[in-house]
Amino acid sequence: QVQLQESGPGLVKPSETLSLTCTVSGGSINPYYWSWIRQPPGKGLEWIGYLYYSGSTNYNPSLESRVTISVDTSKNQFSLNLSSVTAADTAVYYCARSFYGDFGPYHYWGQGTLVTVSS
Amino acid sequence: EMVMAQSPATLSVSPGEGATLSCRASQTVFINLAWYQQKPGQAPRLLIYGASTRLSGIPARFSGSGSGTEFTLSISGLQTEDFAVYYCQQYHTWPPAFGQGTTVQVK
Repeated sequence: QVQLQESGPGLVKPSETLSLTCTVSGGSINPYYWSWIRQPPGKGLEWIGYLYYSGSTNYNPSLESRVTISVDTSKNQFSLNLSSVTAADTAVYYCARSFYGDFGPYHYWGQGTLVTVSS
Repeated sequence: EMVMAQSPATLSVSPGEGATLSCRASQTVFINLAWYQQKPGQAPRLLIYGASTRLSGIPARFSGSGSGTEFTLSISGLQTEDFAVYYCQQYHTWPPAFGQGTTVQVK
């Protein structure tokens, strides 16, 4: 059974870079699409972007200038960097794997990690 | 950019009754539509994909229908564990988009 686990700081200062890692267990990074999705407290879900196991990426245009998603296949991990964060980036961040295809549907999810942007 | 609109925002239902949730896409997504269930403090759980295909292990009381721009999630005989927030998601076009959610609460 594939399992995903997010890790990273729970508190980030405004203007700094949010960095999270998703560790995949019970299966390989290959040959799937891996996404980051976030959910502000009490609000809905927002797709951030995906990475294909080969390293190609695709980002939400609303975040594209600040987002980088990368992969470390040797560790079965992929990572999210979101630069120049503001309070609006406070959210639960989920990593997820699509059931098939690139944009979903998302079958496997991490438990989520709350990241708060505050000084 | 695709917009997904769910209605109603909140649905009050008594246990054992049925519920019908709607999702409308601003452009056609054909059948590239998924439904998720989310409970407090948990990640979303995929229920339905391809507009009407239940994921393995999802109870038969959940059913999805629709195509193009209009979709429905029906839940028959609501169980206690079904009270949650439900999201639709289109995965036909970039960027993928979720609806704002429908909360199914106990009446």
